[in-house]
Amino acid sequence: GENVEQHPSTLSVQEGDSAVIKCTYSDSASNYFPWYKQELGKRPQLIIDIRSNVGEKKDQRIAVTLNKTAKHFSLHITETQPEDSAVYFCAAVPTGANNLFFGTGTRLTVIP
Amino acid sequence: EPEVTQTPSHQVTQMGQEVILRCVPISNHLYFYWYRQILGQKVEFLVSFYNNEISEKSEIFDDQFSVERPDGSNFTLKIRSTKLEDSAMYFCASSEVDEQFFGPGTRLTVL
Repeated sequence: GENVEQHPSTLSVQEGDSAVIKCTYSDSASNYFPWYKQELGKRPQLIIDIRSNVGEKKDQRIAVTLNKTAKHFSLHITETQPEDSAVYFCAAVPTGANNLFFGTGTRLTVIP
Repeated sequence: EPEVTQTPSHQVTQMGQEVILRCVPISNHLYFYWYRQILGQKVEFLVSFYNNEISEKSEIFDDQFSVERPDGSNFTLKIRSTKLEDSAMYFCASSEVDEQFFGPGTRLTVL
């Protein structure tokens, strides 16, 4: 099955700086890569996703890049704000399946 | 904006007891899922359900687990004989195609 690795496990940045979280996946047939934000005690919330037919997608301060050859994808948050502090999970979905394989999470702390 | 809902928010049970966790998916969604998250760990897939049957399940989803869509709105997860290691947050999710939206979770504590 799919195996998703995520780095770093913790990340602290100053408010206004950028944050980058990286994930790799093992199944070259995976074709859908969502990112979820989970605040303490809350549900995971979908913040952005990318499909295998594009290399980059941007939504305001959030962007995701995908390198299918290298089997890795990254989340970029610019101009970070304290409310960006949360645990971020990447995930991958293999072709023909619907279930999400999650990474181990990155705890992002934005220091005011 | 429609959301996935789950009840109860917290369930405490004795080891060996049966529990039923309930979910109401978003109404026009066709795919339903259960995931679990042990405290401080990643979210793990349990089972997916489509067209009134299980479409995929993980190794975690053994004979102690079952799912059901008893009517047009509810989706349930049953654990027949709970173990201590079943203590976790259980999330229901639903999707129209591939964007999955999660419910608020049920925290299951097995004593």
